Amino acid sequence: DTEVTQTPKHLVMGMTNKKSLKCEQHMGHRAMYWYKQKAKKPPELMFVYSYEKLSINESVPSRFSPECPNSSLLNLHLHALQPEDSALYLCASSQAGGTYYSYGYTFGSGTRLTVV
Amino acid sequence: SQQGEEDPQALSIQEGENATMNCSYKTSINNLQWYRQNSGRGLVHLILIRSNEREKHSGRLRVTLDTSKKSSSLLITASRAADTASYFCATDADNNAGNMLTFGGGTRLMVKP
Repeated sequence: DTEVTQTPKHLVMGMTNKKSLKCEQHMGHRAMYWYKQKAKKPPELMFVYSYEKLSINESVPSRFSPECPNSSLLNLHLHALQPEDSALYLCASSQAGGTYYSYGYTFGSGTRLTVV
Repeated sequence: SQQGEEDPQALSIQEGENATMNCSYKTSINNLQWYRQNSGRGLVHLILIRSNEREKHSGRLRVTLDTSKKSSSLLITASRAADTASYFCATDADNNAGNMLTFGGGTRLMVKP
């Protein structure tokens, strides 16, 4: 299995809702990532998990809460989002390496989130 | 924050022609990677070039890296309509605690049949 699977593919939620995005991989990758991408912009890093521990949080608002229950799963819990949070949310995974031995990422196809 | 800047922002060519995209970055890096994205979906990893490498090939792709100029280029030879996509460079800076890619602004490539 060489894929990263994200669910759901599309999500519409109100500003008072609580929802979760899910990401799964079975490639044995020990680094997993959440990126946010607005239309016609590059992906922006949100969170990095390395060996199931949060290693990087790029000053993301607390209404986004990541969770890594095990080495194959990554969740992003959403609560009280704003319309400007509407975007494509991408999950990726890679082998965990040192600062020199970085590896290419495998991306999921993303969840297109609309906040109304 | 955006580490790389890509040039051009958009490129339109005929099938069979070569396409060249450039990327400039600001800080020292461990490696530079190129990704392709179709229609706002997931990104696909194309090629990785490490800081001590100057050129790399993969099929119809050729990537160069000039660390003295902090720049890279991606050449796609004999382009096909299926190459129509956005292409992003991404850098892994050498001051990071772990894996952390920062993406450039991207080049939107259109290959006309």
